[in-house]
Amino acid sequence: DAGVIQSPRHEVTEMGQEVTLRCKPISGHNSLFWYRQTMMRGLELLIYFNNNVPIDDSGMPEDRFSAKMPNASFSTLKIQPSEPRDSAVYFCAMQRGVANTGELFFGEGSRLTVL
Amino acid sequence: GENVEQHPSTLSVQEGDSAVIKCTYSDSASNYFPWYKQELGKRPQLIIDIRSNVGEKKDQRIAVTLNKTAKHFSLHITETQPEDSAVYFCAASSSNYQLIWGAGTKLIIKP
Repeated sequence: DAGVIQSPRHEVTEMGQEVTLRCKPISGHNSLFWYRQTMMRGLELLIYFNNNVPIDDSGMPEDRFSAKMPNASFSTLKIQPSEPRDSAVYFCAMQRGVANTGELFFGEGSRLTVL
Repeated sequence: GENVEQHPSTLSVQEGDSAVIKCTYSDSASNYFPWYKQELGKRPQLIIDIRSNVGEKKDQRIAVTLNKTAKHFSLHITETQPEDSAVYFCAASSSNYQLIWGAGTKLIIKP
């Protein structure tokens, strides 16, 4: 079990550019979460997928953010256009079964800096 | 909705002493309470969790207690070691899927 794999680990980009963050989930874990972590706001849930279907995207801050899970092996979080206030660490996390039935397995995170 | 408050925000203890971190929650329907540890620059990792049908759970030097009446739960770390230095997050959830997170406690172990 290789765990949740995220890429890129670090990204520095300029305001207005498109950013795509990627997550390769753990097989057999069918709940996927995208979180954003900042010092000011802590851990914020952006979106939750179950069996590849978006269940709740109410945490997505603006229309500039979008997320997809085309299959059980891949998910993306896209920001277009990016802004400096989007600078944060973005985590992808997985859970077996439906949400809150047990441990969340986090990826290593993608640290985004928007200049 | 659920609200989780965590205290203290920073805790400094002497190596070998005990550390206690406390969280309160607002939704009496909450029934799952995990604790995550996040080392600097790393991912959060589950260290212990408790469900509402249990009052206490222990795993070696780590224990969690839950008081459903008072709606608070605490993390206890005994015989602290340098590797316990990290940020600790509590969380609570009810019947929906949302984990509501505390703001975190930075634990510093002084040699």
